[in-house]
Amino acid sequence: KAGVTQTPRYLIKTRGQQVTLSCSPISGHRSVSWYQQTPGQGLQFLFEYFSETQRNKGNFPGRFSGRQFSNSRSEMNVSTLELGDSALYLCASSGQGGRYGYTFGSGTRLTVV
Amino acid sequence: TQLLEQSPQFLSIQEGENLTVYCNSSSVFSSLQWYRQEPGEGPVLLVTVVTGGEVKKLKRLTFQFGDARKDSSLHITAAQPGDTGLYLCAGDYNTDKLIFGTGTRLQVFP
Repeated sequence: KAGVTQTPRYLIKTRGQQVTLSCSPISGHRSVSWYQQTPGQGLQFLFEYFSETQRNKGNFPGRFSGRQFSNSRSEMNVSTLELGDSALYLCASSGQGGRYGYTFGSGTRLTVV
Repeated sequence: TQLLEQSPQFLSIQEGENLTVYCNSSSVFSSLQWYRQEPGEGPVLLVTVVTGGEVKKLKRLTFQFGDARKDSSLHITAAQPGDTGLYLCAGDYNTDKLIFGTGTRLQVFP
């Protein structure tokens, strides 16, 4: 059974550019969540999608957005990149509801220069 | 703001020693999850506890959920170098949105 797949693994972008990250959840999982991990702030919730609908959103500016497709694959987009957006972006999927735990992907390491 | 405090922040021990990591909050959780993360990888789920007072064992790891469902602990017996990693607790408030703890970085030396 394939795990959660995130692409690309590494990305270097210039300040002001935009970026799109992709996540393919475990087959059959309809809930996909995104988290940002930085050394200073730890893991912080970005948003959660279920059946193409955003159900939850964290405290991030509007430059961070996402979407989910009918096959449960999800993308997140960050526009007008800032240096502080450099982080490991993690995607997680759940089949039984978040209360029972998540399977995380290996993440996309984004560096903004 | 929901906060999850983990202690200690860092732990450096010799192989064979025992250790306990604590996770505390002022809020009541629907469930409490423990993850381990290795460098360059995503967190891996170790256990989920949902009932106050619940104790779960996973080989040398023992997880306990507080009676009031506001705190949890992870105890490792006879630590091994393979236990090295970042241990994260995460609380779920029945909102499909995890609040992660500050993390405990464990280093076990042979």
